[in-house]
Amino acid sequence: EMKMVESGGAVVQPGGSLRLSCAASGFIFDDYPIHWVRQPPGKGLEWVSVISWDGVNTYYGDSVKGRFTVSRDNTKDSLYLQLNSLRGEDTAVYYCGKGRGKSAVYGVDVWGQGTTVTVSS
Amino acid sequence: SFELTQPPSVSVSPGQTARITCSGNAMAKNLGFWYQQKSGQAPRLVIYDDRRRPSGIPQRFSASSSGTMATLTISGAQVEDEGDYYCYCYSTDSGGYHRGLFGGGTRLTVL
Repeated sequence: EMKMVESGGAVVQPGGSLRLSCAASGFIFDDYPIHWVRQPPGKGLEWVSVISWDGVNTYYGDSVKGRFTVSRDNTKDSLYLQLNSLRGEDTAVYYCGKGRGKSAVYGVDVWGQGTTVTVSS
Repeated sequence: SFELTQPPSVSVSPGQTARITCSGNAMAKNLGFWYQQKSGQAPRLVIYDDRRRPSGIPQRFSASSSGTMATLTISGAQVEDEGDYYCYCYSTDSGGYHRGLFGGGTRLTVL
């Protein structure tokens, strides 16, 4: 069974930092790009970032560009999202998702259950 | 522009056909996807590559795409189909930068 499990969510003060992790299992991790998607409380889904299967290419949504950094360790089947300069509007459930194909154009087909980040003083 | 527009809500009676639209320039040149999200759960892929259905998704789910508009159709909607539905595509802008894009979501009520 293909599975993604996020961790690292916490309550953090504005301006603070946090590192989220995503552990994958049940598939060949380094065959696929991985996306981060977030959902603020009571709102819709927002695409955050993607990293290519080899970690070479990374892309970010406009609202997080320059503050968040995605990385992966294919030896550990793990993905990371470093969140810096956090703001109240970053409060959300953060999901990692496995790309459906080798390219990121093929969407997400396996999702984790999410980890909650709350930015509050 | 990089926006996908969906109606906020759609309501049908059980057994009726529900149609949810998604419009935006990005849909014209990129593969479209649809995700279902039930309350308190992670999203679930119900349509990929504009019109293909993953294994395990009931046949009553179908989709089409024409130009800048995509449509998710649930033929004979069931109470268990209630939830939020999001369209999505992955696009490259004029500068070559990639981004994913979700519609605002449509709340489907089957009552």
